[in-house]
Amino acid sequence: DAGVIQSPRHEVTEMGQEVTLRCKPISGHNSLFWYRQTMMRGLELLIYFNNNVPIDDSGMPEDRFSAKMPNASFSTLKIQPSEPRDSAVYFCASRQGADTDTQYFGPGTRLTVL
Amino acid sequence: AQKVTQAQTEISVVEKEDVTLDCVYETRDTTYYLFWYKQPPSGELVFLIRRNSFDEQNEISGRYSWNFQKSTSSFNFTITASQVVDSAVYFCALSAYFGNEKLTFGTGTRLTIIP
Repeated sequence: DAGVIQSPRHEVTEMGQEVTLRCKPISGHNSLFWYRQTMMRGLELLIYFNNNVPIDDSGMPEDRFSAKMPNASFSTLKIQPSEPRDSAVYFCASRQGADTDTQYFGPGTRLTVL
Repeated sequence: AQKVTQAQTEISVVEKEDVTLDCVYETRDTTYYLFWYKQPPSGELVFLIRRNSFDEQNEISGRYSWNFQKSTSSFNFTITASQVVDSAVYFCALSAYFGNEKLTFGTGTRLTIIP
């Protein structure tokens, strides 16, 4: 079975450019989560969706960040404009259904903003 | 507010030794879930175990075992007869049982197994 798929795996961009990270959750999973991992802050939740609807975006750092889930099999996290402090590993995770299910993580996208 | 503390930042042991990774949590919820994830050098996060607060039985899976003690708010992870492939960063995490979807992670413990 395919796990959570993220693309690209690595992204290097220059400050001010737009960056779009992509995620395909596990088929049949109803919830999708975006996390960011940095040395300073560890793993932190940015936003999550249930049935394609954003539920909690309180972790989104600022207006430069936006996330969408147009359908059950695809989500994007966009940063516009990007800044060096956005450099991090961004993980997408999906969960089958109930609150009590386990979140399964994708391989992550390592973003470097120069 | 929820909090997970992994006081051990880094641990190194010689191969075949046993090692225990500590996890202490804080929550006001009476029901909750605890998790361990492994992050190998390749960077992905691999799910290891989920335990709900109703079940304080220890769990064993091969060389891995978990000790959940509600009285001390701890959920420790032991690797028996460690192997080089166990080298990774291990994260303990906590989530509410209902209503709060988010996983609160500890800061991780970097485990190095010396051949």
